[in-house]
Amino acid sequence: DAGVIQSPRHEVTEMGQEVTLRCKPISGHNSLFWYRQTMMRGLELLIYFNNNVPIDDSGMPEDRFSAKMPNASFSTLKIQPSEPRDSAVYFCASSFGLGGYEQYFGPGTRLTVT
Amino acid sequence: RKEVEQDPGPFNVPEGATVAFNCTYSNSASQSFFWYRQDCRKEPKLLMSVYSSGNEDGRFTAQLNRASQYISLLIRDSKLSDSATYLCVVNPTDKLIFGTGTRLQVFP
Repeated sequence: DAGVIQSPRHEVTEMGQEVTLRCKPISGHNSLFWYRQTMMRGLELLIYFNNNVPIDDSGMPEDRFSAKMPNASFSTLKIQPSEPRDSAVYFCASSFGLGGYEQYFGPGTRLTVT
Repeated sequence: RKEVEQDPGPFNVPEGATVAFNCTYSNSASQSFFWYRQDCRKEPKLLMSVYSSGNEDGRFTAQLNRASQYISLLIRDSKLSDSATYLCVVNPTDKLIFGTGTRLQVFP
């Protein structure tokens, strides 16, 4: 069975450029989560969706970050314009629902902004 | 106070040793608990759920103490492949809260 799929796996971009990260959740899962992980701050929840609807985006650091989930099998996280402090690993995770369901993570996108 | 607190370690143990990690959580309304494992430069992966009565999965045993608001993970007969960071996870609401992890290094 396919797990959570993320692309690209690595992204190197220059400051000021737009970055789009993509995620395909596990089929049948109706909740999707975007996280960011750095050495300094650990794993941070940015935003999550349930049935394609954003539920809580309070973790999104700034207006430069936006996320969409146009259908049950696809989500994007966009950073525009990107800054060096956005450099991190971005994970997408999905689960059968909100609450106490375990989440399954994709392999992550390692973003470097120079 | 952090919602989930863990000793960052590292715990350096020889192969075959038994090692235990604890984790405390602040929200008494938490209902679900998990341990995840994260290898270097990889994604977190579910290791096991933690049930009220405690549960075991091979060499791994998880315990929950609701009164004291902590959960534990015991690893018996440590293997080199157990070297990783172990994340304590709780769910006080509709999202999971991840601890910063405890690093384990098993040496030959």
